[in-house]
Amino acid sequence: NAGVMQNPRHLVRRRGQEARLRCSPMKGHSHVYWYRQLPEEGLKFMVYLQKENIIDESGMPKERFSAEFPKEGPSILRIQQVVRGDSAAYFCASSPTFTSSGNTIYFGEGSWLTVV
Amino acid sequence: EDKVVQSPLSLVVHEGDTVTLNCSYEVTNFRSLLWYKQEKKAPTFLFMLTSSGIEKKSGRLSSILDKKELFSILNITATQTGDSAIYLCAVETSGSRLTFGEGTQLTVNP
Repeated sequence: NAGVMQNPRHLVRRRGQEARLRCSPMKGHSHVYWYRQLPEEGLKFMVYLQKENIIDESGMPKERFSAEFPKEGPSILRIQQVVRGDSAAYFCASSPTFTSSGNTIYFGEGSWLTVV
Repeated sequence: EDKVVQSPLSLVVHEGDTVTLNCSYEVTNFRSLLWYKQEKKAPTFLFMLTSSGIEKKSGRLSSILDKKELFSILNITATQTGDSAIYLCAVETSGSRLTFGEGTQLTVNP
């Protein structure tokens, strides 16, 4: 039973380029989350998605960042016109069917973005 | 704003020692508290706690939640060098959003 799969694991982009990070949730999981970990900081929530729906994007920067989780295929976190401050580890997580009494959320190994 | 505070921020012990890591929180719409272990890669799930006073145990690790005093502890007995990692506490609130603490960096020396 594969875990949360992210790719690429490491990505180097020049300032102004686009970065696309992909995430396949664990089998049977329909909820996907993206978190960002800046150097020397804790994990911060970015966005929560279900298939074809963005449920909560309150943690996403207002510009240049977007996320999707299409009916078929992985979830994508897209960062346009990257800047040095976007350099971070981006973690995807998934959980099975939502319950209001607590959800076990599993993390992928992260995608490390370096902007040069 | 939801807040999760972990202490200590770092801890150095010798193999065989017992450690207690602390996590306190102030959040609205609490759902659960989760502990993760992070070793330079994916945070690995350890425990999810939803009810006060019920200890969760896995091998040498155990954890308990106090919803009245708004804190949780993670205990590790008979520590080993392989326990060296960052231990993250996170609180799930409505919308399945996790708020993380800054983590406790544990170093276990042989």
